[in-house]
Amino acid sequence: DAGVIQSPRHEVTEMGQEVTLRCKPISGHDYLFWYRQTMMRGLELLIYFNNNVPIDDSGMPEDRFSAKMPNASFSTLKIQPSEPRDSAVYFCASSFVGSNEKLFFGSGTQLSVL
Amino acid sequence: GEDVEQSLFLSVREGDSSVINCTYTDSSSTYLYWYKQEPGAGLQLLTYIFSNMDMKQDQRLTVLLNKKDKHLSLRIADTQTGDSAIYFCAASDMGRRALTFGSGTRLQVQP
Repeated sequence: DAGVIQSPRHEVTEMGQEVTLRCKPISGHDYLFWYRQTMMRGLELLIYFNNNVPIDDSGMPEDRFSAKMPNASFSTLKIQPSEPRDSAVYFCASSFVGSNEKLFFGSGTQLSVL
Repeated sequence: GEDVEQSLFLSVREGDSSVINCTYTDSSSTYLYWYKQEPGAGLQLLTYIFSNMDMKQDQRLTVLLNKKDKHLSLRIADTQTGDSAIYFCAASDMGRRALTFGSGTRLQVQP
């Protein structure tokens, strides 16, 4: 299996622009998670889905952030408008029932908002 | 919710043992995990322990769990320069499927 695939690996944008991050979970996994990693706050859970349905979005920082999972093999995290404080590494992870809650992570998207 | 704490930095010499410590707050956490992150990469699962176990050994890795004190440790025997990375402790969050991560311990292995 190819593992969790995220794109792009790096994104540089200007303040105010819309940013879309993409994730393809491991086939057969029914949970998908979006985490954000910063030096100051470490790894924070933003939102997670089960069977394509958002279960907990309490970590989404503001209305500027939105996430969708239109099908079992694709999810997006959108920031509109982006701000410099959104600069971070965004990770997608997936898991499945019976995995002992282990998470399988993608390589992340390094986002820089200028 | 769950809170997970780790020390930030550890430096050891090649060939020595490394011990990375972690504390957590939610005694109902079912599983506790250790992940490794190398520069520019995602988190890779190293090992995990079920909450009813005290110890788990996996080649050079030994995980010790003190459930009474809510303390978890990872021992790496014969530490190599390739072990230099950030190590994250994580706990399952009762009521949520997600994991709560510590801030990570940067392990530096000196030749």
